[in-house]
Amino acid sequence: KNEVEQSPQNLTAQEGEFITINCSYSVGISALHWLQQHPGGGIVSLFMLSSGKKKHGRLIATINIQEKHSSLHITASHPRDSAVYICAVRRASGSRLTFGEGTQLTVNP
Amino acid sequence: DAGVIQSPRHEVTEMGQEVTLRCKPISGHDYLFWYRQTMMRGLELLIYFNNNVPIDDSGMPEDRFSAKMPNASFSTLKIQPSEPRDSAVYFCASSLLAGTGELFFGEGSRLTVL
Repeated sequence: KNEVEQSPQNLTAQEGEFITINCSYSVGISALHWLQQHPGGGIVSLFMLSSGKKKHGRLIATINIQEKHSSLHITASHPRDSAVYICAVRRASGSRLTFGEGTQLTVNP
Repeated sequence: DAGVIQSPRHEVTEMGQEVTLRCKPISGHDYLFWYRQTMMRGLELLIYFNNNVPIDDSGMPEDRFSAKMPNASFSTLKIQPSEPRDSAVYFCASSLLAGTGELFFGEGSRLTVL
């Protein structure tokens, strides 16, 4: 079993829909990252969380440390949100990031 | 700041050749990470540096891979000799604090070894 599990692996939505991507992990962590990778390949850090909730524009990320679970929400989705979203956790000891396999999101107009 | 700068963006080479990938981290960041991304294995950490010192190189696949950081503004990842299975996208990232700092990625270097 991977230390970081994302679901779903693939998600297709219509423009305007509310989207949720989930991430579960099995190790103690100091931080959790949500990353976005566009078809061009570049990776952008969306959020870094150690507790609670963060919001940036239409994106919201939450984390429940006790349940070892995080969610990334996109409100009013848009075709430009189409990308791979990757969850990564930084272990409580050390600085290594362990990555989930990513969620491929496609938002159709 | 221009962000993390990697070069080359694309490299195609033949098996057995030496490959050198370069990275300039964001000024002031004291952590630098090299990652490899493949379809089969996703993103994997190869090595990371703190204040130019290699801290964890357990992800470096073989002795053919080596990484250096001679100063705070430059790092190299070298593969010698290269093999077709080394074909991947190699990302460099930097952060101010490893444990709690946001990670900034370069655009990646896409390597194809024929």
